[in-house]
Amino acid sequence: EPEVTQTPSHQVTQMGQEVILRCVPISNHLYFYWYRQILGQKVEFLVSFYNNEISEKSEIFDDQFSVERPDGSNFTLKIRSTKLEDSAMYFCASSDTRNGEKLFFGSGTQLSVL
Amino acid sequence: AQSVSQHNHHVILSEAASLELGCNYSYGGTVNLFWYVQYPGQHLQLLLKYFSGDPLVKGIKGFEAEFIKSKFSFNLRKPSVQWSDTAEYFCAATNFGNEKLTFGTGTRLTIIP
Repeated sequence: EPEVTQTPSHQVTQMGQEVILRCVPISNHLYFYWYRQILGQKVEFLVSFYNNEISEKSEIFDDQFSVERPDGSNFTLKIRSTKLEDSAMYFCASSDTRNGEKLFFGSGTQLSVL
Repeated sequence: AQSVSQHNHHVILSEAASLELGCNYSYGGTVNLFWYVQYPGQHLQLLLKYFSGDPLVKGIKGFEAEFIKSKFSFNLRKPSVQWSDTAEYFCAATNFGNEKLTFGTGTRLTIIP
């Protein structure tokens, strides 16, 4: 079965540092997403991306966050200046349809901000 | 506001017991509903989904869920659980034509051998 790959599985960083979380979506998918889950809380939508631009973003996705599809295969989430409250599990997902019917999630990157 | 509620935070059952996990949603319009499972150390996997048609949907690993529109519910059931069902279960919803999933807080299921 095809899968979404995320690297690294665990990222530790100092507060104020920039981090880039990487994802390789399934190859023929067109819709890409980032979700996050703070420990003990809900999985929350961050951003959706289609046709090389953001199609929707949540309140969480402020100016510190950005996404990019730099080379047609990778899909990255950048946090410019990390805060303690950015510590969470970040999930990448991709789909070939817009309605969530065939959404595949990666195994997540655990981000720890110290 | 759109929301999904899962009232059971942690459920502990013995093997072969029957399972029902509650999920209620608050959404306007046509809603699509999902149950995801996350086994320890693994990614979220889709168990089943409801888009339209028969309100009783069957998923993988013997799970099923029933969409009851009048109760705004989409409870997950399994007649006889196994130790391997130990995992976190998430209910999620989205409006028809919308791509953004709203998740519940999850229910941790522990099966005792």
